[in-house]
Amino acid sequence: GAVVSQHPSWVICKSGTSVKIECRSLDFQATTMFWYRQFPKQSLMLMATSNEGSKATYEQGVEKDKFLINHASLTLSTLTVTSAHPEDSSFYICSAPEKKETQYFGPGTRLLVL
Amino acid sequence: DAKTTQPTSMDCAEGRAANLPCNHSTISGNEYVYWYRQIHSQGPQYIIHGLKNNETNEMASLIITEDRKSSTLILPHATLRDTAVYYCIVLMNRDDKIIFGKGTRLHILP
Repeated sequence: GAVVSQHPSWVICKSGTSVKIECRSLDFQATTMFWYRQFPKQSLMLMATSNEGSKATYEQGVEKDKFLINHASLTLSTLTVTSAHPEDSSFYICSAPEKKETQYFGPGTRLLVL
Repeated sequence: DAKTTQPTSMDCAEGRAANLPCNHSTISGNEYVYWYRQIHSQGPQYIIHGLKNNETNEMASLIITEDRKSSTLILPHATLRDTAVYYCIVLMNRDDKIIFGKGTRLHILP
């Protein structure tokens, strides 16, 4: 199947700093990508839809100024957690639909804000 | 809200077939049934999907009832590595956003 990668796989940062997470589709192009976060023992929660060449669409309750999304190319979407705080510590996962088959998920990025 | 209902958890003995049920009574005629699983601390992994007919691949089989209101994912010979949370999802298009329910936590017992 197709491959979606994320970088970094884990990150620890101080409260108040910003963290950028990359999501790449390695062998296919994706005009749309999705960002999720997952807290311990909970299901994945959709945060936003990343659209290549246009603004992201955020789910209700997700602050767009807090979670900046940039989909600058057909293979890369980035999620920047601005002024991160301990409550932003979570497992962040992206996904990308592959036209011929299905939607593929990245391996996730674990963020710990101290 | 997720359009499917699944049991919270299930146990299965190693080497036996694991049968995971899913109810999707409000599914529309052009919506597909997808199954994903998430092994601890990893991203979800695609397993299989289908519309009307039963499907089989190297990982699993998907049995969809004739009225399409429910389906069963079958792992024919479960191994310890199949321990995961299994999500049954209904989608019209593969590029639709996925709203995850709580899934079924499958424990494979040695």
